[in-house]
Amino acid sequence: GAVVSQHPSWVICKSGTSVKIECRSLDFQATTMFWYRQFPKQSLMLMATSNEGSKATYEQGVEKDKFLINHASLTLSTLTVTSAHPEDSSFYICSATQGARAETQYFGPGTRLLVL
Amino acid sequence: AQSVAQPEDQVNVAEGNPLTVKCTYSVSGNPYLFWYVQYPNRGLQFLLKYITGDNLVKGSYGFEAEFNKSQTSFHLKKPSALVSDSALYFCAVRDQGYSSYKLIFGSGTRLLVRP
Repeated sequence: GAVVSQHPSWVICKSGTSVKIECRSLDFQATTMFWYRQFPKQSLMLMATSNEGSKATYEQGVEKDKFLINHASLTLSTLTVTSAHPEDSSFYICSATQGARAETQYFGPGTRLLVL
Repeated sequence: AQSVAQPEDQVNVAEGNPLTVKCTYSVSGNPYLFWYVQYPNRGLQFLLKYITGDNLVKGSYGFEAEFNKSQTSFHLKKPSALVSDSALYFCAVRDQGYSSYKLIFGSGTRLLVRP
């Protein structure tokens, strides 16, 4: 149980294009989803927290117009990197929690983005 | 402020020997504590958590961790390491008193188990 998927697993795009990453909770309803970014050999950096039907809450320093998050249903959240640039290249990981207490975050397998 | 420290960048251990990956934390209230493991180019896999109750928590793949409130530690342990345990391990904390579900992660410890 508590499986989270991400699609695509990797993507290469040209500078200036937009890329959408999907995060799905496969066997539970996710009350809250999180988006992280991870640089090589570093820890996870929380980008934003999203609750179904509400606007995402972004961490300080994260541009909300650059990283658009939509949490349209209890099983799907999307992250769109708009007008991507090479510095946006990174490993993006989502996680999801279930239930009112939301004790444990379950992570997706990650999406590697390379912007040329 | 909440914080997590993993003092060792890397831990080396021989297969069959016990392993310990250290974690200390700082929160203003009572903590939720977690251990996750990450294999190359993959997301994080949940290993175990401490919420309340018994200080010794048992998790997946034979791992366990002991919550020590006085030392504010939550070290990950396994009695006999396997080569397949080689991976990146993250400790994380969340303050039970906060309504936010944000996790604060440590910097990660790379575990290398040699045959």
